[in-house]
This record gives sequence, structure tokens and C-alpha cells, in this order.
Amino acid sequence: SQTIHQWPATLVQPVGSPLSLECTVEGTSNPNLYWYRQAAGRGLQLLFYSVGIGQISSEVPQNLSASRPQDRQFILSSKKLLLSDSGFYLCAWNLEKKDTQYFGPGTRLTVL
Amino acid sequence: QKEVEQNSGPLSVPEGAIASLNCTYSDRGSQSFFWYRQYSGKSPELIMFIYSNGDKEDGRFTAQLNKASQYVSLLIRDSQPSDSATYLCAVNGGSQGNLIFGKGTKLSVKP
Repeated sequence: SQTIHQWPATLVQPVGSPLSLECTVEGTSNPNLYWYRQAAGRGLQLLFYSVGIGQISSEVPQNLSASRPQDRQFILSSKKLLLSDSGFYLCAWNLEKKDTQYFGPGTRLTVL
Repeated sequence: QKEVEQNSGPLSVPEGAIASLNCTYSDRGSQSFFWYRQYSGKSPELIMFIYSNGDKEDGRFTAQLNKASQYVSLLIRDSQPSDSATYLCAVNGGSQGNLIFGKGTKLSVKP
């Protein structure tokens, strides 16, 4: 069966510090991978998605970036965090874009 | 801009009642429709998906789809306090065919 992992689970970072969040999927090959952010009391905002190694599509221009160095690994990064980057970051996967997305446990980021 | 609309709630129902959650979508070309449940502080988990017009039942949950009206709903029968959560509707659409999520309806089931 497929499993999706995210780490860290929680993170508190000062403004201006760098960020690296990691997501890995087990038990499947060539998944589509997604990064979402959910700010307090708000809906899911799609940040990036990837259909393959090195292929990244950005949905929202911002100070975040994503990379996919391996088939089942997806990384979200920032060089300098802003207060507005606080939120719940969710990684998800599916095999077809129109199909069910399965979410990881999430990373709660607080920028102070 | 493709959109998925849900009432934010909160929707409050007594224990044992039927909870009805509604969702409308703007992309007539959408083919797949999903309901996720999200408990506070947790990630969304899939409850049901539906592809064809009509009803689909799974235990206490029934998803209803009406493509002509661009409307999808979720009924929860015999609601329990453990059903208290935010319910997200998702529809495939957009320029890349990805899932588009509504902002969710918060359901509260009172004992």
C-alpha cells in the first residue's frame, strides 16, 4: 500500500530564515506530487505540482520554490521566510490529475 | 477562473440527524468529484468520490451529483459527534485538470 510522509511535523522559524520541507511517497511509481498551503481559517491553496522528476509547475508567485530530485521526493524551500508564510503545509499525491489526491500528515509552520 | 463554492458554515445538527453539505462548481467539463473530511489540525482524508450523475452510498454517507446543475452534495445520516469536522469538496478542472478545492463547510454535531 502507498504511504506519504512529511517532515518536520511542526516548525517555528524566524522571519528571514530559510526553509526546507520534505515529502516522500512509498509504494507507487511516477506519482503526481502537490504542495498546498492552508492558512488559518482559509482553504487549500495549491502552491506547486509536479508530474515527474525535475518538472515543477508553480500556481502562485511567491518567495517559495519546489524541487523534485527523485521520483518520490518533493521538497518545498524558501531562502527567506515572511510572516505570511505561516500555515499548514500539505503534500499530496495521485496517479492521474483528475483522480483522488491523498494527503500527507502536514507540516505546521509558524514564522515569528 | 474555475471555482468550487461551499457554504463556510458552521452547520450545526443534532446527533442522529441528517447533515446535508452542498457544493457548486463552475467548470462544466469537470469529470470527477470528491468529498474530504478534515479534523481540526489534521490533514484532509477522502470520504467519497463520484463520477456519474445520481447517488452513491457508502455506509452513512451518500454523495449526490447533478452535472446539469453543476451541483454535488454529501448527506451524512445518523450524524455523530465524531462527524464534527470541516468537509472539503473537490472537483477536477482548471487548465491542467488538477483538483480544485472549495474552502470547506464546518459541521458541528451536537450530542
